[in-house]
Amino acid sequence: AQTVTQSQPEMSVQEAETVTLSCTYDTSESNYYLFWYKQPPSRQMILVIRQEAYKQQNATENRFSVNFQKAAKSFSLKISDSQLGDTAMYFCAFPPPGGSEKLVFGKGTKLTVNP
Amino acid sequence: GAVVSQHPSWVICKSGTSVKIECRSLDFQATTMFWYRQFPKQSLMLMATSNEGSKATYEQGVEKDKFLINHASLTLSTLTVTSAHPEDSSFYICSARDPLLPDTQYFGPGTRLTVL
Repeated sequence: AQTVTQSQPEMSVQEAETVTLSCTYDTSESNYYLFWYKQPPSRQMILVIRQEAYKQQNATENRFSVNFQKAAKSFSLKISDSQLGDTAMYFCAFPPPGGSEKLVFGKGTKLTVNP
Repeated sequence: GAVVSQHPSWVICKSGTSVKIECRSLDFQATTMFWYRQFPKQSLMLMATSNEGSKATYEQGVEKDKFLINHASLTLSTLTVTSAHPEDSSFYICSARDPLLPDTQYFGPGTRLTVL
């Protein structure tokens, strides 16, 4: 079974500081994509960052970057210079094996950025 | 990123009536769309995969006769909740698969359904 684990149900960070959200997953595939989605209070799911497993270079999108460790099956999200607008639920996701088009989501981490 | 719209954003209906929710990909053609349900403070639960021109694939435990899905065009999928009951009250979210980015889904803003 494919699983995605986010071990931090809630986190908080001060504005302008850096925070890292963890995600581990289990798969038997050798190539796949990994995603972080953000769901702010508006409940609109927003794609934050996308990582291809065969690429060793960690993906970066402005203040968001990942630490992808394929052997450890770890895919953490680092948010630098946190802003109040980063307050949201963050979900880690990846496709199950066998060429499925679906995504498996973690339970989410609720991040609060404090002023 | 690609834009997905959903309509309505919220709906209140009486028990026993049917409600239709539309999901549209605005700037790309989506052969595959997905319908999710989200309970308060929980993650997304996939209900079904909607493929243009063919029958939807439902996840285990999802009643296909209650949640009718139609994907009649490359930009529109609809979810109809038939004979709705209060337990169907939830937040329903659709997504569309980007044909240019493998495995990447873009989400609509969601629809809050309240059944009285």
